[in-house]
Amino acid sequence: EVQLVESGGGLVEPGGSLRLSCAASGFTFSNTRMSWVRQAPGKGLEWVGRIKTKTDGETTDYAAPVKGRFIISRDDSKNTLYLQMNSLKTEDTAIYYCTQYSNWGQGTLVTVSS
Amino acid sequence: DVVLTQSPLSLPVTLGQPASISCRSSQSLVDTDGTTYLNWFLQRPGQSPRRLIYKVSNRDSGAPDRFSGSGSGSDFTLKISRVEAEDIGVYFCMQGTHWPRTFGQGTKLEIK
Repeated sequence: EVQLVESGGGLVEPGGSLRLSCAASGFTFSNTRMSWVRQAPGKGLEWVGRIKTKTDGETTDYAAPVKGRFIISRDDSKNTLYLQMNSLKTEDTAIYYCTQYSNWGQGTLVTVSS
Repeated sequence: DVVLTQSPLSLPVTLGQPASISCRSSQSLVDTDGTTYLNWFLQRPGQSPRRLIYKVSNRDSGAPDRFSGSGSGSDFTLKISRVEAEDIGVYFCMQGTHWPRTFGQGTKLEIK
């Protein structure tokens, strides 16, 4: 059974940093491109970014609102996906999901507030 | 960015009746490889999204066969042949052809 389990969310002040993790199991993580999608409270889904596999150079792509502030990485030895979030803004407040689209984690809530 | 416009945004449906959701794209979603990367997701209340349909009309494993997807180019439709109580929630279309990936604004299906 595929499982994606996010962690690392919490309350952070504007300008602060946070690193989210997503532990994957039940599939060949190293062969799978992975994405982060977020959902602000009561709002729709917003694509954050994606990382390709090591074979494809671990290339990353980001949405404009997070480009230059967020970094997606992966550790295939640990079957874990990461989202390093820097220079956080109040508008980054959301539930963050890791996903390969056919499967989604339960999400982790990030609240950016003073 | 590609804009996906869903309609209706609210869809009250009687149990056992059909339902249909439209997703129109501001650009063609046909990729250079000839594939159209249009997905449909359902997010039940309090849950994570779940993919129902990928590449326009392919049903995910576990998705009931009352769900079907159709369309081409920039005009797509999700149909539910007979709505059941477990179908309530918000439906999103998402395109995987252009960067950045984008989602429709969501259609909330509720039971009348």
